[in-house]
This record gives sequence, C-alpha cells and structure tokens, in this order.
Amino acid sequence: AQSVTQPDIHITVSEGASLELRCNYSYGATPYLFWYVQSPGQGLQLLLKYFSGDTLVQGIKGFEAEFKRSQSSFNLRKPSVHWSDAAEYFCAVGAPGGYQKVTFGTGTKLQVIP
Amino acid sequence: KAGVTQTPRYLIKTRGQQVTLSCSPISGHRSVSWYQQTPGQGLQFLFEYFSETQRNKGNFPGRFSGRQFSNSRSEMNVSTLELGDSALYLCASSVEAGTYNEQFFGPGTRLTVL
Repeated sequence: AQSVTQPDIHITVSEGASLELRCNYSYGATPYLFWYVQSPGQGLQLLLKYFSGDTLVQGIKGFEAEFKRSQSSFNLRKPSVHWSDAAEYFCAVGAPGGYQKVTFGTGTKLQVIP
Repeated sequence: KAGVTQTPRYLIKTRGQQVTLSCSPISGHRSVSWYQQTPGQGLQFLFEYFSETQRNKGNFPGRFSGRQFSNSRSEMNVSTLELGDSALYLCASSVEAGTYNEQFFGPGTRLTVL
C-alpha cells in the first residue's frame, strides 16, 4: 500500500527566506505526486503535480518540487516566501485509477513571520 | 466562473442524528468527490460520483452515503452520527471521473457531533 510522510508538522520561516517542505512516499512503481495548499477556511488548491517526465516541476504561486526516485522524495520549494504563503501544505501520492487512489500526508503548517 | 460551493458551512449535531451536506460543483463539471478531513486521520476519500452514479468508494462504513443529481449537484448523508464523525467534509469537482483531471475543492462543511 502506498503512504506519504511529511516529517515536519509545523515550520516557521521569515518573510523573504527560502522554503523547503519535505515529503517522502512509499509506492512500488512510479507514483503520481501532488502538492496542495489549504488556507484557513478554504478548501485545498493544487500547487503542482508530477506524473512523469522532467523531475523538476513548476507550479503556481512560485512553487516548485523535485521528484527524487532514489530518495523517494518530492520536496516542495520556494525561493522567497511571502506572508500570504502561510497555510497548511499537503503532499499526496496516487496510483493509476483516479483520486480514489490518492493518499494524503498529514500536512505541514507553515507560519511566516515578518 | 463560480467555484465549488458547499452548504452549510458549519453544522452541530448530536450523536445518533443524521445529517445531509450539499455540494454544488463548478458549472460544467460532472464529477464530484467527497473527502473527510480530521486532525488524526488527515484527508480521506469518501466517494466519487459521475453522471449520477457512484464510481468509486473509500473505506467508510455504510452510514456514509451520497447521491448526485442530474445537474451534478451532490449530497452526502451520514446516519446515526458518532463523535468520531466530527470533521471537515470537503467536496471537490472535476470535469471527468476516474482520471487525474484537476480537482477543485470547496471550502468544506465543518461538522461537530456532540
């Protein structure tokens, strides 16, 4: 069975600093990988996804993620964080078949300080 | 284009009662999925509807049911509520079912069971 681990429950960064959120997955084949963001009182919004091809994926809001098969990781990065990036971030792994096959991580809550 | 709307946004019920949640997808979207989000279990897939048919189901007891109407609006019903059903229930819509077309999430219904 597939699984996702987000080792950091809570991260605090200063505005303007770089950000890296960690995600490790377990899956037997090449997975589908996703990063979502959830702002307070909002639903989830897809930041980016990886299905195949280039292992460096560009997403919305200046985010990117890199798929590293050897490390079973799909870390999310942003070079300069803005106060509006404060939210909860979810990594997810999927298998062929659709969203019923997606397993979500437990999330990392990002706090941005001035 | 209006986003996914969910009603009500907040709901308080007591154990043993039943509840119905509503979701209106983005215009033109025919697939609606439901998720339960709790601090302990994270985000878990409940079921997916497409063209008024349940296409996929997660690992939840039969107390959780849903339906979809001809206009793609969907309702989710939970009978005989338990304390553990307290959660944020998210609805997501996409153009098609069973694929990885982007899902758009609503803000959720916060259900509290007392």
